[in-house]
Formats: sequence, structure tokens, C-alpha cells
Amino acid sequence: EPEVTQTPSHQVTQMGQEVILRCVPISNHLYFYWYRQILGQKVEFLVSFYNNEISEKSEIFDDQFSVERPDGSNFTLKIRSTKLEDSAMYFCASSEGPLTSGNSYEQYFGPGTRLTVT
Amino acid sequence: SQQGEEDPQALSIQEGENATMNCSYKTSINNLQWYRQNSGRGLVHLILIRSNEREKHSGRLRVTLDTSKKSSSLLITASRAADTASYFCATGKTGANNLFFGTGTRLTVIP
Repeated sequence: EPEVTQTPSHQVTQMGQEVILRCVPISNHLYFYWYRQILGQKVEFLVSFYNNEISEKSEIFDDQFSVERPDGSNFTLKIRSTKLEDSAMYFCASSEGPLTSGNSYEQYFGPGTRLTVT
Repeated sequence: SQQGEEDPQALSIQEGENATMNCSYKTSINNLQWYRQNSGRGLVHLILIRSNEREKHSGRLRVTLDTSKKSSSLLITASRAADTASYFCATGKTGANNLFFGTGTRLTVIP
């Protein structure tokens, strides 16, 4: 069964460093998302991406964050200058279609990248 | 706030019993999705129910949706120890292409 994959599974970085988290969405999916989950807290939406541009973003997704689809398969999240509070599990997700359509498509999540900022 | 709230926060049952988890939300939605998360791991999609649906089944799972009460329930029948996990509801708000997650119910199934 197709699945969303993410690399690395765990990333440790020093405060102020740049990190790139990578995701390979399910191959026929067109909508891509990043979420994060701080330890012990809710899963929070960061950004959605469609047709090579951001379609929605949350207040969390500030100028320190960026997303890119550098080729036909990868979808990346970059944090330019990491802070201690960026430590969290970051989940990539993809869906075949948008949630807003009458069909409402399922969002499938990857296994996550645990980011630890020291 | 759009976020769903699950209750109970924690549920402990014996293997073979049924487990019911509830989710409430605040604004109008297009759909509601249930996920399972084993400790520290990824989110596994369980079932999606659309706003015009009232009930869906998938194997041992039964989900109901009452849009007038802004609530949903997830029933797991004949529970197994392997069902031990956290269960989250996530709502797709009308007009938005992202999910809002609830706080989750921690289910423990005792063998």
C-alpha cells in the first residue's frame, strides 16, 4: 500500500542552525501538508501546498519556515534559524484532493521527523 | 477555536470489550477524520466521515457524526491489546484545506 515517507526519522540540531525535513508524498497525490506536534500537545497545522504554491498557512508558519517541491517526488520543510521551541515531531501529509471539495479526501500522514533543537 | 475535544482523555478496558470515544467541535465542518497514534509514532488514518453522512463502518470500527450536536463518536468493537494507542479526531472546517486536531483519547486495552 502506498505511504508517505519522511527522512530523517530524528534530527538533532543546534539553535540557530538551518534544518531541512524531507517528505515523499504518495505518488498520485496533489495536495501536501506539514503539521507539527510538540511533545504532549495537539497536532497543529503548519502549511498546505498545491500546484507549486502555498495554499494555506497557520500563524505558526512565519518567515523562518519555507516549503518547496524541488522535484516530482520530494516535498521539503525548511526552518531557517531553529529555536528551542521548534523542537517537535513534524509530520508530512498528502491527499489526492482537497478537503474543501464535496468529496473530502483523506489525508495520509508520514511517520514523522523528531526535531530536537539544543 | 475549531479544535475538537475528545473525551474521555483516557480509557482503560479489558480485551474483548468495546471502546467508545467521543469528539466535539465548534464550527461547521466538511468532514471529520479519525486517526490512531502509537506512542511517539506516526498518525494512522482510520476513517473519514463527510458532513452529509451519519455513520460509517470499517472492520471493527464504527463512526457516527451528528452535525446538529457538533459531535462524533468512534466505537471499537471486540478490542484487542494491539488497539492500545491514542485516538484523535480531526475536523476539516468548511472552506479550509487543513485539519484541526483534538486532544486525543489514550486507550489502554488490558490483555
